[in-house]
Amino acid sequence: AQSVTQLGSHVSVSEGALVLLRCNYSSSVPPYLFWYVQYPNQGLQLLLKYTSAATLVKGINGFEAEFKKSETSFHLTKPSAHMSDAAEYFCAVTNGANSKLTFGKGITLSVRP
Amino acid sequence: SQTIHQWPATLVQPVGSPLSLECTVEGTSNPNLYWYRQAAGRGLQLLFYSVGIGQISSEVPQNLSASRPQDRQFILSSKKLLLSDSGFYLCAWSAGGLYGYTFGSGTRLTVV
Repeated sequence: AQSVTQLGSHVSVSEGALVLLRCNYSSSVPPYLFWYVQYPNQGLQLLLKYTSAATLVKGINGFEAEFKKSETSFHLTKPSAHMSDAAEYFCAVTNGANSKLTFGKGITLSVRP
Repeated sequence: SQTIHQWPATLVQPVGSPLSLECTVEGTSNPNLYWYRQAAGRGLQLLFYSVGIGQISSEVPQNLSASRPQDRQFILSSKKLLLSDSGFYLCAWSAGGLYGYTFGSGTRLTVV
């Protein structure tokens, strides 16, 4: 079985501040991990993915995430928030090449001017 | 390159009316296909998935059904809509878990 936990439903940061969105996973085998972003009334867009190569993964729009097996975490970070980063973010896990993704509940990021 | 098309973008339907949402994928063959629903504050709910023509798996019992009449076509249907069917419906495709999903742009369904 696999699962993802995204604690909290909303994070608010000031423009230019560090963005940190937390994701913890549970998987019985080495996982593949993903972060998606969703802007209002749009589909989800892949930000980045971990597929057992480098543990620090860089994605689009300046985001990156680090896979930490010992902590079962895959937190998403961005050094400096921009107003355009305001959106909902989903973490997801799968444990096999043909397996379905399991999504977290999502977390809404707000960016204050 | 692969693309996914989902339509319509918005839909307002009366209670008791039928529903048909269509999703098509281009540029790939034998994709895994998925229908999700987002209700306000409830995250992503997997409704159906399909690994091939005519093969449909339902994740939750509900008022909806899905069909895959062609390799790259996935249809979400209902014979009689309920108010609780309102939400944002997303179609997605995948070539396998390693690659993640690619989502369509979604359909906002309001049942009145």
